[in-house]
Amino acid sequence: KNEVEQSPQNLTAQEGEFITINCSYSVGISALHWLQQHPGGGIVSLFMLSSGKKKHGRLIATINIQEKHSSLHITASHPRDSAVYICAVRSHRGTSYGKLTFGQGTILTVHP
Amino acid sequence: GAGVSQTPSNKVTEKGKYVELRCDPISGHTALYWYRQSLGQGPEFLIYFQGTGAADDSGLPNDRFFAVRPEGSVSTLKIQRTERGDSAVYLCASSLYGHRDTEAFFGQGTRLTVV
Repeated sequence: KNEVEQSPQNLTAQEGEFITINCSYSVGISALHWLQQHPGGGIVSLFMLSSGKKKHGRLIATINIQEKHSSLHITASHPRDSAVYICAVRSHRGTSYGKLTFGQGTILTVHP
Repeated sequence: GAGVSQTPSNKVTEKGKYVELRCDPISGHTALYWYRQSLGQGPEFLIYFQGTGAADDSGLPNDRFFAVRPEGSVSTLKIQRTERGDSAVYLCASSLYGHRDTEAFFGQGTRLTVV
């Protein structure tokens, strides 16, 4: 079993829909990242969370440390939101401090 | 520059050749990470530098892979005797060390294709 699991793996939505992507992890972490990757492009960090909730525009990220679970929500989705969304957790131990372990990504396609 | 810079952006090489991939982290970032992303997969950890030293190289797949960061800034990932299975996007990230809430900043990646 992977240390970081995302669901769903693929998600198709119509423009305007509310979207949720889930991430569960099984290791101790100091922080969790939500990242966005466009085809052929690099990775952009959307959020870094260690507790609670953060909001940037139409994006909301939450984390429940006790349940080892995080969600990324997109409100009023738009075709330009189409990308791969990746959850990554940051190790808090020893010489691997800061190392990220990634989920497999969720491919989001938003149709007009 | 303001962000993490990786060169080249694309590299096509023949099987058996040697390649070098370069990463320029954000100025002042002491932590530097290399990751490899195969098609359809999430990135996988290769190696982590703290300053000039490799603090964790447990992700390097075999001894054909080696990375250096001699002055604690630019890093080079070196792959000897390349194989078709080495084809992937190689990502570099940097962050401040010792700060609890440090962001990781990623480069655009180098797409390596071994033919």
